[in-house]
Amino acid sequence: DAGVIQSPRHEVTEMGQEVTLRCKPISGHDYLFWYRQTMMRGLELLIYFNNNVPIDDSGMPEDRFSAKMPNASFSTLKIQPSEPRDSAVYFCASSYTSWGTEAFFGQGTRLTVV
Amino acid sequence: SQQGEEDPQALSIQEGENATMNCSYKTSINNLQWYRQNSGRGLVHLILIRSNEREKHSGRLRVTLDTSKKSSSLLITASRAADTASYFCATDVQEAAGNKLTFGGGTRVLVKP
Repeated sequence: DAGVIQSPRHEVTEMGQEVTLRCKPISGHDYLFWYRQTMMRGLELLIYFNNNVPIDDSGMPEDRFSAKMPNASFSTLKIQPSEPRDSAVYFCASSYTSWGTEAFFGQGTRLTVV
Repeated sequence: SQQGEEDPQALSIQEGENATMNCSYKTSINNLQWYRQNSGRGLVHLILIRSNEREKHSGRLRVTLDTSKKSSSLLITASRAADTASYFCATDVQEAAGNKLTFGGGTRVLVKP
């Protein structure tokens, strides 16, 4: 397996634009996590899915953020409208359902909102 | 909010020395995991210790867990320049419908050759 694949690797957009980040988890993994990493806040859990169902979205900063997982092999994180404070590295990770397993991370998407 | 807090935030040592970093957390956990992140890259899993375990080894890594104090430590022995990275602890917490994995703030480790 190629691992967790995120796209794009880099995204520069203007304030107010819609941004969509994409993630392909490892085949067979039941859990998918979205994280945001900044110097100020560290690595924040935004939302996670279990078998394509959103379980906990309490980390999503506000209504401008939304995440979907239409099937087991694809997830998106959308920001609409984007703001400069959304600039960060966004990571997707996946893992097996079974108790006590490691998470595999993608390479991240570096988002810059100008 | 972050479940784990790491200490120290940064650590600078000479090659060959040992590096120790600590993690404290707030709620009951299923397990605690340590990850490594090289600059500009994603996180890579290092080691997992279950809530009923007290110590675990993997190569030059030694992890301890004290659930009564809600704390863990990661020891890297005989450090190498290639160990320079940020290290994060992560807690796996059982929720009603799933397992939540949240990370601490990390420790930046610099190993000088």
